[in-house]
Amino acid sequence: DTGVSQNPRHKITKRGQNVTFRCDPISEHNRLYWYRQTLGQGPEFLTYFQNEAQLEKSRLLSDRFSAERPKGSFSTLEIQRTEQGDSAMYLCASSLGDGQSYEQYFGPGTRLTVT
Amino acid sequence: GENVEQHPSTLSVQEGDSAVIKCTYSDSASNYFPWYKQELGKRPQLIIDIRSNVGEKKDQRIAVTLNKTAKHFSLHITETQPEDSAVYFCAASGSYQLTFGKGTKLSVIP
Repeated sequence: DTGVSQNPRHKITKRGQNVTFRCDPISEHNRLYWYRQTLGQGPEFLTYFQNEAQLEKSRLLSDRFSAERPKGSFSTLEIQRTEQGDSAMYLCASSLGDGQSYEQYFGPGTRLTVT
Repeated sequence: GENVEQHPSTLSVQEGDSAVIKCTYSDSASNYFPWYKQELGKRPQLIIDIRSNVGEKKDQRIAVTLNKTAKHFSLHITETQPEDSAVYFCAASGSYQLTFGKGTKLSVIP
């Protein structure tokens, strides 16, 4: 499968615990995005990387959230001290980033449930 | 920032009929407008997109139109089939991030 992959697909955690999600983009894509989707809503932008550089963070991304893309390939999103309001689907997307291609392709998401 | 409004929130059509979903955006700098289809429990799937230098784009049974002056764009699905049933999202982008509408749940009744 050459599409965007995400792991784990589901995560149940207790309030206050830390969680980490992983995203593997399409191999030739140098842009990687994180979005959050809650029930009945469209995805909301969280942050984006051009290669290994994190270039933009949404105000939705509180200090408890951190994202990395250490070698410009896979990315991780960590949530510290999880809260019930963090329960959502976390989607990763990637795009070519060549200045001409705008298409973003999404992964299957990681569904987080905070109890 | 950008704000995208999408209507209707739900839409039921008979199989074979057409479906139209409309979106408006607020930021005149937006220049890329994709549409995504999301089936229950699955990833958003890009089905068609349009750039601001084009007024209309068609791909088999689906088409998108863009009116830059009015800041609105629409998705048209003709000859609907039961497998078209899903939630459809419009989005707008000026550079990198996509701003999504709240979605339209389309139900195609056999």
